[in-house]
Formats: sequence, structure tokens, C-alpha cells
Amino acid sequence: QVQLVQSGAEVKKPGASVKVSCKASGYTFTGYYMHWVRQAPGQGLEWMGWINCDSGGTNYAQKFQGRVTMTRDTSISTAYMELSRLRSDDTAVYYCARQLPTDYWGQGTLVTVSS
Amino acid sequence: DILMTRSPATLSLSPGERATLSCRASQSVSSSYLSWCWQKPGQTPRLLIYGASTRATGIPARFSGGVSGTDFTLTISRLEPEDFAVYYCQQYGSSPLTFGGGTKVEIK
Repeated sequence: QVQLVQSGAEVKKPGASVKVSCKASGYTFTGYYMHWVRQAPGQGLEWMGWINCDSGGTNYAQKFQGRVTMTRDTSISTAYMELSRLRSDDTAVYYCARQLPTDYWGQGTLVTVSS
Repeated sequence: DILMTRSPATLSLSPGERATLSCRASQSVSSSYLSWCWQKPGQTPRLLIYGASTRATGIPARFSGGVSGTDFTLTISRLEPEDFAVYYCQQYGSSPLTFGGGTKVEIK
């Protein structure tokens, strides 16, 4: 069965970077795009971008351009999302999702940015 | 960017009642690439509808999606206790993908 397992919660200081991983299993990793979506506490869903897990090509939301980097390691079927220059309003749960729209989401990774 | 405007923000209804949720796109959504998902507190989103009107696997027939121009609707014919949640629309026809703000369906 398809599973996306994300790395654990992180606490970071403003200005730091965070890298969240998403390990896929149960399907051909390179056959799909991986999207990243975040949700601030009590707020709605916000799309951040996707990575083509085959070619490595990426497409980022303008809001995150210059701060986000999505990569993948096909040898271990894992996608990564790194967000730099963190601010307090980056505090959110970050989800990976296999090729939106989808019923396959990671469990979410809480990233807390606090001094 | 395509702005998705949902209405209402909150819907207070009783089990057994009909729920109608709306999402209006600020411009045409390519090929009706519009989905609906739902989310309960502390849980990940779950897909309900894609292609504006196609139910995802395992979604009961009481959920239906419709479209008229740039207006999309999600109808729940008779609310079951497990249907009380937050519902999001999302367009995936053009980049950036955008979500509506979410409609909370709560028990009256």
C-alpha cells in the first residue's frame, strides 16, 4: 500500500533553515510528482510547490521562490523540502502529497519557528 | 494566480440535513481541474471529489460535485455525523495550485 512517512517535528530559530523528508513506499517513486503543502495553526492549506521525482524538475509557488528547495533521492525513494531564512509565520505543519489531487499524504511535520 | 473564494465560511446544520458548499474561481479553471477534500482536527486532508464531479475511491454517493462556469459546488445530500469537518476546494489546472479558505461544517 502507498505510504508517505515524514521526518519528525522540528524547532528552529528565526533565520535558520529546516529540511523535511518524505519517504515513499508502495509505488514507483519516479512515476509521480511530489507536492508540498503547509498549514499554519488554525489556518487553511497552502500549496508550496512540486518536484518531478523522475527528472528532478521543480515548480515553486512565487511566495516561496528563493527560500524553498525541493529535491529527491531516487535511490531511497525520498523527497525533501528545505525552507531557509525561517520566520515565525513559517510555523506550520508541512505535508508531502503524492501528485495532487490525491488521497496519499504524509502524516505531516510540525515546524515551529521561535526565538 | 487563480483566487478561490469559498462560501460560507461556516455552515451550521443538523445530521440528516442537506449541505451546499461553494467555491468561486477568479478566472476559468482549466478542464474543470477542481477538487474537494475534507479534514478533521488533527488529521490529514482526505480527497472527496476531483475533476469537479468525480467521487474519489470509497466516497459515498451522498457527496456530489458540480460546476457552472467558474462556480463550483459540493453537495452533501444528507449529513451523517462523520461528515462534520472542514472542506477545502482546490484548483489544480494552473500553477500555482490554489486552495479555497475552507468551509467548516459544524453540528447545529
